[in-house]
Amino acid sequence: DQQVKQNSPSLSVQEGRISILNCDYTNSMFDYFLWYKKYPAEGPTFLISISSIKDKNEDGRFTVFLNKSAKHLSLHIVPSQPGDSAVYFCAASARGNSGYALNFGKGTSLLVTP
Amino acid sequence: DAGITQSPRHKVTETGTPVTLRCHQTENHRYMYWYRQDPGHGLRLIHYSYGVKDTDKGEVSDGYSVSRSKTEDFLLTLESATSSQTSVYFCAISERVAGDQETQYFGPGTRLLVL
Repeated sequence: DQQVKQNSPSLSVQEGRISILNCDYTNSMFDYFLWYKKYPAEGPTFLISISSIKDKNEDGRFTVFLNKSAKHLSLHIVPSQPGDSAVYFCAASARGNSGYALNFGKGTSLLVTP
Repeated sequence: DAGITQSPRHKVTETGTPVTLRCHQTENHRYMYWYRQDPGHGLRLIHYSYGVKDTDKGEVSDGYSVSRSKTEDFLLTLESATSSQTSVYFCAISERVAGDQETQYFGPGTRLLVL
């Protein structure tokens, strides 16, 4: 059963606007959440993360919000740029579980149009 | 750049043949992982290692074995490849960040086609 869900397979946003990617999880033991960006024919690239003790983490144009009561996190990209077009994966881990192995969502394909 | 390389980057093989994929890291990380990525599934954990000769199974380990005889190398073997093992395989290492959280960094991937 999928423990991390990204319910939007794709998203299209205009350049300069905000992109919001959503992720839901079911396992209350998850305590660390990450977003990865993936271009075709490349490995996933770490983007930003958040610990369960926080509700927000910001890094430049990227902000991740965590709502533990709703078991929901989101990635905001402001402003969106054409180079942000990629597949974004949400991932989660539980301390000590399978050596910190990650549970991934299926990904959301973001297209930023000029 | 976490210093991770994977070889080969592409491979075509036939059903029933053995295949070994190699992951090499240069920064002495303790944890290493093998994932596979398939359409509609995201990335799924096959096996992981928490030290030399210390390995354990992941979510989709059937049909795969691993070995880690040196810190820097983590090998994934398909003993007898099947068409269902056609996939893109990613190796990852994890690096300790603040507190006891570990962030994973991925290699470039190996695209395997089993005919």
